[in-house]
Amino acid sequence: DIQMTQSPSSLSASVGDRVTITCRASQGISDYLAWYQQKPGKVPKLLIYAASTLQSGVPSRFSGSGSGTDFTLTISSLQPEDVATYYCQKYNSAPLTFGGGTKVEIK
Amino acid sequence: EVQLVESGGGLVQPGGSLRLSCTASGFTFSSYEMNWVRQAPGKGLEWVSYISGSGSIIYYADSVKGRFTISRDNAKNSLYLQMNSLRAEDTAVYYCARDGVPNSYINWFDPWGQGTLVTVSS
Repeated sequence: DIQMTQSPSSLSASVGDRVTITCRASQGISDYLAWYQQKPGKVPKLLIYAASTLQSGVPSRFSGSGSGTDFTLTISSLQPEDVATYYCQKYNSAPLTFGGGTKVEIK
Repeated sequence: EVQLVESGGGLVQPGGSLRLSCTASGFTFSSYEMNWVRQAPGKGLEWVSYISGSGSIIYYADSVKGRFTISRDNAKNSLYLQMNSLRAEDTAVYYCARDGVPNSYINWFDPWGQGTLVTVSS
């Protein structure tokens, strides 16, 4: 089975900083990758699908890139409301594995 | 408005059984593949199971294969997860999640339900 590895597992950044989270697949998955945001105590929310397509209603400061095995989620200017854990997920085939998550905090 | 509402969670002893339900509204349920995802307390997300719109294609995570059964009743707009031989490590919030695209095999998950807590303990 393909493993999904996220890094870092946590980060602390200042408001306005550019934040980058990486997700690596153990085998190529083309662009079958989604990113989710889970705020504390809340339900996961879809941010990006097909590696780089922004879900409707998601702020444009979020962007995704990558293909094959290496992917990134970027927050161009971190805002207080972005405090959350972010997960990547592959969906090229079952099992539909999630990455371990990246917890983003404000410094 | 698209809505997914889970129910059926609770406290169960190790080795016991529980049946979760997810009632859908606001969309044509039979056109969408559905999933169960769980999250143990303080842990990350773990995909559990997938079922196609017709119910003819089903997948499970290795951790639940042979113990859990996913099913759906399109006439009742409902998704189910029958959980048998429960273990302490099955303790989690269980979410149902809809595929993002209708009639399109496997896709991203959107939206998600609010979740139902399953606690396996003696």
